[in-house]
Amino acid sequence: DQQVKQNSPSLSVQEGRISILNCDYTNSMFDYFLWYKKYPAEGPTFLISISSIKDKNEDGRFTVFLNKSAKHLSLHIVPSQPGDSAVYFCAASRAGGTSYGKLTFGQGTILTVHP
Amino acid sequence: DSGVTQTPKHLITATGQRVTLRCSPRSGDLSVYWYQQSLDQGLQFLIQYYNGEERAKGNILERFSAQQFPDLHSELNLSSLELGDSALYFCASSVLPQETQYFGPGTRLLVL
Repeated sequence: DQQVKQNSPSLSVQEGRISILNCDYTNSMFDYFLWYKKYPAEGPTFLISISSIKDKNEDGRFTVFLNKSAKHLSLHIVPSQPGDSAVYFCAASRAGGTSYGKLTFGQGTILTVHP
Repeated sequence: DSGVTQTPKHLITATGQRVTLRCSPRSGDLSVYWYQQSLDQGLQFLIQYYNGEERAKGNILERFSAQQFPDLHSELNLSSLELGDSALYFCASSVLPQETQYFGPGTRLLVL
Protein backbone atom coordinates (compact mmCIF):
# COMPACT_ATOMS: atom_id res chain seq x y z
CA ASP A 1 0.00 0.00 0.00
CA GLN A 2 1.73 3.12 -1.26
CA GLN A 3 0.59 5.79 1.20
CA VAL A 4 2.86 8.47 -0.25
CA LYS A 5 3.12 8.77 -4.01
CA GLN A 6 5.26 10.78 -6.33
CA ASN A 7 3.73 10.11 -9.69
CA SER A 8 6.40 11.77 -11.80
CA PRO A 9 9.56 9.67 -11.90
CA SER A 10 11.48 12.51 -13.52
CA LEU A 11 11.35 16.22 -14.28
CA SER A 12 13.55 18.27 -16.58
CA VAL A 13 13.80 22.07 -16.18
CA GLN A 14 15.87 24.87 -17.63
CA GLU A 15 18.19 26.79 -15.32
CA GLY A 16 16.50 29.87 -13.87
CA ARG A 17 12.99 28.51 -14.31
CA ILE A 18 10.67 27.10 -11.65
CA SER A 19 10.75 23.41 -10.70
CA ILE A 20 7.54 22.00 -9.26
CA LEU A 21 7.64 18.57 -7.66
CA ASN A 22 4.41 16.94 -6.59
CA CYS A 23 3.43 14.45 -3.94
CA ASP A 24 0.11 12.84 -2.99
CA TYR A 25 -0.76 10.95 0.17
CA THR A 26 -3.65 8.77 1.19
CA ASN A 27 -3.37 8.57 4.98
CA SER A 28 -5.34 11.45 6.54
CA MET A 29 -3.54 10.83 9.84
CA PHE A 30 -0.28 12.24 8.45
CA ASP A 31 0.39 15.60 10.04
CA TYR A 32 4.01 16.42 9.21
CA PHE A 33 5.53 16.48 5.76
CA LEU A 34 9.11 16.81 4.60
CA TRP A 35 11.12 17.05 1.42
CA TYR A 36 14.55 15.49 1.12
CA LYS A 37 17.11 15.76 -1.65
CA LYS A 38 19.41 12.86 -2.43
CA TYR A 39 22.55 12.57 -4.51
CA PRO A 40 23.83 9.12 -5.58
CA ALA A 41 25.87 7.35 -2.89
CA GLU A 42 24.84 9.89 -0.23
CA GLY A 43 22.16 9.98 2.43
CA PRO A 44 18.99 12.06 2.01
CA THR A 45 19.49 15.72 2.90
CA PHE A 46 16.64 17.55 4.61
CA LEU A 47 15.32 20.49 2.60
CA ILE A 48 12.10 21.81 4.06
CA SER A 49 9.11 20.67 6.08
CA ILE A 50 5.54 21.69 6.78
CA SER A 51 3.11 20.92 9.55
CA SER A 52 -0.51 20.13 8.75
CA ILE A 53 -1.62 23.31 10.52
CA LYS A 54 0.02 25.38 7.77
CA ASP A 55 -0.52 25.51 4.03
CA LYS A 56 2.76 27.09 3.01
CA ASN A 57 6.34 27.23 4.22
CA GLU A 58 9.23 29.07 2.58
CA ASP A 59 12.96 28.78 2.97
CA GLY A 60 15.01 30.72 0.45
CA ARG A 61 14.46 29.30 -3.02
CA PHE A 62 12.31 26.46 -1.66
CA THR A 63 8.60 26.68 -0.90
CA VAL A 64 6.37 23.81 0.12
CA PHE A 65 2.59 24.01 -0.32
CA LEU A 66 0.14 21.72 1.44
CA ASN A 67 -3.44 21.15 0.31
CA LYS A 68 -4.99 18.97 3.00
CA SER A 69 -8.36 18.60 1.34
CA ALA A 70 -6.68 17.23 -1.78
CA LYS A 71 -4.04 15.35 0.24
CA HIS A 72 -1.43 16.92 -1.97
CA LEU A 73 1.81 18.75 -1.42
CA SER A 74 4.26 20.35 -3.77
CA LEU A 75 7.79 21.68 -3.64
CA HIS A 76 8.63 24.77 -5.68
CA ILE A 77 12.24 25.65 -6.42
CA VAL A 78 12.78 29.14 -7.81
CA PRO A 79 15.06 29.82 -9.56
CA SER A 80 16.28 26.33 -10.39
CA GLN A 81 20.03 25.79 -10.54
CA PRO A 82 22.08 22.96 -12.07
CA GLY A 83 23.23 22.02 -8.56
CA ASP A 84 19.61 21.22 -7.72
CA SER A 85 19.80 18.16 -9.98
CA ALA A 86 19.16 15.21 -7.68
CA VAL A 87 16.44 12.82 -6.55
CA TYR A 88 13.76 14.49 -4.44
CA PHE A 89 11.79 12.49 -1.90
CA CYS A 90 8.57 13.49 -0.26
CA ALA A 91 8.01 11.99 3.22
CA ALA A 92 5.21 12.04 5.75
CA SER A 93 4.77 11.15 9.40
CA ARG A 94 2.07 11.11 12.01
CA ALA A 95 2.07 11.86 15.70
CA GLY A 96 1.22 9.17 18.18
CA GLY A 97 0.34 5.53 17.72
CA THR A 98 2.75 2.72 17.04
CA SER A 99 4.23 4.54 14.05
CA TYR A 100 5.29 7.61 16.03
CA GLY A 101 8.15 9.31 14.22
CA LYS A 102 8.25 6.84 11.34
CA LEU A 103 8.73 8.48 7.94
CA THR A 104 6.84 7.09 4.96
CA PHE A 105 8.59 8.02 1.73
CA GLY A 106 7.45 8.45 -1.82
CA GLN A 107 9.37 6.74 -4.61
CA GLY A 108 11.26 9.90 -5.54
CA THR A 109 11.43 12.24 -8.53
CA ILE A 110 14.65 12.74 -10.47
CA LEU A 111 15.09 16.45 -11.15
CA THR A 112 17.47 17.52 -13.90
CA VAL A 113 18.22 21.22 -14.29
CA HIS A 114 19.83 22.06 -17.61
CA PRO A 115 22.23 25.01 -17.90
CA ASP B 1 27.47 16.92 6.57
CA SER B 2 24.39 16.01 8.64
CA GLY B 3 26.39 15.08 11.75
CA VAL B 4 25.16 11.49 11.61
CA THR B 5 27.94 8.97 11.01
CA GLN B 6 27.64 5.41 9.79
CA THR B 7 30.21 2.66 9.51
CA PRO B 8 31.21 0.84 7.46
CA LYS B 9 30.53 2.67 4.22
CA HIS B 10 30.60 -0.55 2.18
CA LEU B 11 30.19 -4.16 3.17
CA ILE B 12 30.49 -7.23 0.98
CA THR B 13 29.61 -10.58 2.47
CA ALA B 14 28.22 -13.99 1.60
CA THR B 15 24.79 -15.52 2.04
CA GLY B 16 24.19 -16.95 5.49
CA GLN B 17 26.59 -14.55 7.19
CA ARG B 18 25.92 -11.99 9.91
CA VAL B 19 26.90 -8.32 9.84
CA THR B 20 26.63 -5.33 12.16
CA LEU B 21 26.05 -1.79 10.97
CA ARG B 22 26.87 1.07 13.28
CA CYS B 23 25.37 4.54 13.61
CA SER B 24 26.30 7.54 15.71
CA PRO B 25 23.55 10.16 15.90
CA ARG B 26 24.00 13.91 15.86
CA SER B 27 25.09 15.36 19.16
CA GLY B 28 22.04 15.85 21.35
CA ASP B 29 19.71 13.64 19.32
CA LEU B 30 17.92 11.00 21.36
CA SER B 31 16.01 9.25 18.56
CA VAL B 32 17.64 6.93 16.05
CA TYR B 33 15.91 5.43 13.03
CA TRP B 34 16.98 2.76 10.54
CA TYR B 35 15.82 2.68 6.94
CA GLN B 36 16.50 0.31 4.07
CA GLN B 37 16.67 1.46 0.47
CA SER B 38 16.49 -1.24 -2.14
CA LEU B 39 15.99 -0.81 -5.88
CA ASP B 40 12.41 -2.04 -5.96
CA GLN B 41 11.16 -0.88 -2.56
CA GLY B 42 12.43 2.65 -2.16
CA LEU B 43 13.18 3.95 1.35
CA GLN B 44 11.51 1.72 3.93
CA PHE B 45 11.39 2.33 7.66
CA LEU B 46 12.80 -0.52 9.73
CA ILE B 47 12.92 0.47 13.38
CA GLN B 48 13.16 3.43 15.77
CA TYR B 49 14.82 3.84 19.15
CA TYR B 50 14.39 6.67 21.58
CA ASN B 51 16.84 7.08 24.46
CA GLY B 52 17.70 3.41 24.46
CA GLU B 53 14.22 2.00 24.07
CA GLU B 54 12.51 0.63 20.98
CA ARG B 55 9.65 2.97 20.02
CA ALA B 56 8.37 1.91 16.61
CA LYS B 57 8.83 -0.97 14.25
CA GLY B 58 8.30 -1.18 10.52
CA ASN B 59 8.54 -4.17 8.22
CA ILE B 60 11.75 -5.39 9.81
CA LEU B 61 12.56 -9.03 9.25
CA GLU B 62 12.97 -11.34 12.24
CA ARG B 63 16.55 -11.98 11.06
CA PHE B 64 17.27 -8.29 11.72
CA SER B 65 17.64 -6.72 15.13
CA ALA B 66 18.83 -3.42 16.50
CA GLN B 67 19.71 -1.73 19.75
CA GLN B 68 20.60 1.70 21.05
CA PHE B 69 23.32 1.93 23.65
CA PRO B 70 23.63 4.27 26.67
CA ASP B 71 25.90 6.58 24.65
CA LEU B 72 23.03 6.73 22.11
CA HIS B 73 24.86 5.08 19.24
CA SER B 74 22.92 2.32 17.55
CA GLU B 75 23.71 -0.96 15.84
CA LEU B 76 21.67 -2.85 13.28
CA ASN B 77 22.39 -6.58 13.17
CA LEU B 78 21.53 -8.54 10.04
CA SER B 79 21.84 -12.32 10.22
CA SER B 80 21.36 -15.33 7.91
CA LEU B 81 21.86 -12.91 5.07
CA GLU B 82 20.14 -13.50 1.75
CA LEU B 83 20.81 -12.04 -1.68
CA GLY B 84 17.71 -9.89 -1.32
CA ASP B 85 19.18 -8.13 1.70
CA SER B 86 21.58 -6.27 -0.57
CA ALA B 87 20.61 -2.63 -0.19
CA LEU B 88 21.58 0.72 1.23
CA TYR B 89 20.97 0.99 4.94
CA PHE B 90 20.49 4.48 6.34
CA CYS B 91 20.47 5.68 9.87
CA ALA B 92 18.74 8.93 10.81
CA SER B 93 18.46 10.84 14.06
CA SER B 94 16.33 13.55 15.60
CA VAL B 95 16.15 15.25 18.96
CA LEU B 96 12.70 13.85 19.65
CA PRO B 97 10.32 11.64 17.67
CA GLN B 98 8.17 13.56 15.22
CA GLU B 99 10.93 16.10 14.64
CA THR B 100 13.02 16.49 11.51
CA GLN B 101 15.22 13.48 10.87
CA TYR B 102 18.77 13.92 9.62
CA PHE B 103 20.29 11.08 7.67
CA GLY B 104 23.74 9.55 7.66
CA PRO B 105 25.63 8.68 4.46
CA GLY B 106 24.47 5.07 4.55
CA THR B 107 26.07 1.63 4.45
CA ARG B 108 25.96 -0.18 1.14
CA LEU B 109 25.56 -3.91 1.77
CA LEU B 110 26.21 -6.42 -0.98
CA VAL B 111 25.40 -10.06 -0.30
CA LEU B 112 26.97 -12.49 -2.77
